[in-house]
Amino acid sequence: KAGVTQTPRYLIKTRGQQVTLSCSPISGHRSVSWYQQTPGQGLQFLFEYFSETQRNKGNFPGRFSGRQFSNSRSEMNVSTLELGDSALYLCASATDRANTGELFFGEGSRLTVL
Amino acid sequence: AQSVTQLDSQVPVFEEAPVELRCNYSSSVSVYLFWYVQYPNQGLQLLLKYLSGSTLVKGINGFEAEFNKSQTSFHLRKPSVHISDTAEYFCAVKSGTASKLTFGTGTRLQVTL
Repeated sequence: KAGVTQTPRYLIKTRGQQVTLSCSPISGHRSVSWYQQTPGQGLQFLFEYFSETQRNKGNFPGRFSGRQFSNSRSEMNVSTLELGDSALYLCASATDRANTGELFFGEGSRLTVL
Repeated sequence: AQSVTQLDSQVPVFEEAPVELRCNYSSSVSVYLFWYVQYPNQGLQLLLKYLSGSTLVKGINGFEAEFNKSQTSFHLRKPSVHISDTAEYFCAVKSGTASKLTFGTGTRLQVTL
């Protein structure tokens, strides 16, 4: 069974640009969550999608947005990039069966903003 | 609101020595607890989880953790570490019906010969 796949793995952008990251969950998983990981703030929850609906949202500005498609694949978008957006963005999928919270993570997309 | 405290940011240990990584949580409701490991340039991998039942939980790679409700702790232990255990370890909590995990700041385990 294939794991969670995130693309691209690495990317470099400049301030003011926008970026779209993609995540393909494990087959059969309908929940997709996104986390931002930085050395200073650690792992911060961005949002979670389930069956194409945003079910939960973290404390991030509106520049951060996401969506989920009918095949459960998800994208997140960051507009008007700032230097502080440089981070590892991790996607995680879950079956949501019994809502036990066990997440399966991808290897992440490392974004560098110059 | 829930929170997770990992008391040690770094833990150096010699190979074959035992190790304990400490985790305390706060939550007003019943919780699910997790330990994840992150190797360099990789995502997070689940080591073990406590959902209910026995308070001693065994995970992969010889790790185990004990849930202590009275002390609100979920410490991770391994009786004999290997060089390959060098990584960042994260404790996480999920409570109620919310789907998100709240992570601790991580503990870097450095195993040396």
